[in-house]
Amino acid sequence: SQQGEEDPQALSIQEGENATMNCSYKTSINNLQWYRQNSGRGLVHLILIRSNEREKHSGRLRVTLDTSKKSSSLLITASRAADTASYFCVRYGQNFVFGPGTRLSVLP
Amino acid sequence: AAGVIQSPRHLIKEKRETATLKCYPIPRHDTVYWYQQGPGQDPQFLISFYEKMQSDKGSIPDRFSAQQFSDYHSELNMSSLELGDSALYFCASSLERGRNSGQPQHFGDGTRLSIL
Repeated sequence: SQQGEEDPQALSIQEGENATMNCSYKTSINNLQWYRQNSGRGLVHLILIRSNEREKHSGRLRVTLDTSKKSSSLLITASRAADTASYFCVRYGQNFVFGPGTRLSVLP
Repeated sequence: AAGVIQSPRHLIKEKRETATLKCYPIPRHDTVYWYQQGPGQDPQFLISFYEKMQSDKGSIPDRFSAQQFSDYHSELNMSSLELGDSALYFCASSLERGRNSGQPQHFGDGTRLSIL
């Protein structure tokens, strides 16, 4: 499969804790993007990391990319209830491929 | 700021009918993508257009077709509808400035299609 694979598929944490989601892929990429989807809504782009980058930050988000292991991780620090959503790793090689998604629940 | 507009927001059809979904991308965006998301499923890429030409094709059934018009809006035409076509259909747009450069996509809120 050329899909990105994400783990965990579901994650439940308390508000204030950090959430880490991982993504693996099988073929080479130009960039890897993370998106968030609230239930029944469109996806929202969070962050893009290029294949020659190793780490990127945006607010409470930190993304790492290890092209040798073909994996990426998304860290959300100091989580809030509003972070409850599904998170998708989307790899871009010659086209966009969505991963299975991690459903994050942040409990107040 | 203007976002991606999709219409209609909800659509109910019966089996074997046809449906047309419309997408108006963010102004000056040159690329449009269509996705299908079934209940509890992840988004599946259907098809994309760059500068009014098909740029990539995913798991779009032969019963579906799409095009991008001169004003960059796009329509997804669906025929011989089946129960399994019930899903949320998303359109996204991006400013690629070159075919398949992998820029971030901006999504609309989707059209919820229900087949009875």
